[in-house]
Amino acid sequence: DTEVTQTPKHLVMGMTNKKSLKCEQHMGHRAMYWYKQKAKKPPELMFVYSYEKLSINESVPSRFSPECPNSSLLNLHLHALQPEDSALYLCASRQGSSGGNSYNEQFFGPGTRLTVL
Amino acid sequence: AQSVTQLDSQVPVFEEAPVELRCNYSSSVSVYLFWYVQYPNQGLQLLLKYLSGSTLVESINGFEAEFNKSQTSFHLRKPSVHISDTAEYFCAVSGSGGYQKVTFGTGTKLQVIP
Repeated sequence: DTEVTQTPKHLVMGMTNKKSLKCEQHMGHRAMYWYKQKAKKPPELMFVYSYEKLSINESVPSRFSPECPNSSLLNLHLHALQPEDSALYLCASRQGSSGGNSYNEQFFGPGTRLTVL
Repeated sequence: AQSVTQLDSQVPVFEEAPVELRCNYSSSVSVYLFWYVQYPNQGLQLLLKYLSGSTLVESINGFEAEFNKSQTSFHLRKPSVHISDTAEYFCAVSGSGGYQKVTFGTGTKLQVIP
C-alpha cells in the first residue's frame, strides 16, 4: 500500500459546526503533515507530526486542532471556522528522519475540499 | 530561509510543441528540488526530484529538469506536450535534514491547446 487516503473528499460546514478531517497511511511513515491550499495558490504548511508528536505549528489559529492518535492516522479537528478557511486541505506523509542528510519523499493524499458557509 | 520563484503563472502551448516552465530558487544551504503536478480537483503528485548526482533528472512521462547551481534554476521541459499534460505545476524546495519542510512556488498553469 503506497498511498495516503483522506476522508471526506468534500465537506460543507457552517461556522458553528464541529467537524474532523481524517488522513491515513499504511506505509510505516513516521512523519505526517497538514497543508492548506487556497484556490490558485500553492500549498501552505500548517502542522508537522513526527513520531506522533507535534513538531511544527505554523502559527495556525486554534480553531484548527490536529491530532495524531497513532502512527497511521492524522486528524484535523475543525471548530468555529470562518468562510476564508474554505480551501483544499492536503495531508502528506514521509518515512521520517533517519539521521544525517538523507532525504525521504513526501507522499500527498488527494485532499479534502472544505467549504465553510 | 528558502524560497522559490515561478515567473510564469500561465503557459499556453499547442499540442506537440515543446514547453519550458521556469523555476528559480534561493537558499543559504544545500537543497533538494522538486516538480509536483496537480490535475484539476486532485492532490499533488511528485513529477521528478533532484537530490544529488546528475544535474539532469527525468520523469517517466517525458518531462525533464536540469539543476543549474550557478543560475539557481531548476527549469522543467518537455519536447512535445500532450493534452493530458494540462495541469498546474509547482516547483518546490526542501532543506536537508530535520523535518524537511517543503516550500512551494506559486505554480504555473500549463494549458495545452489542441
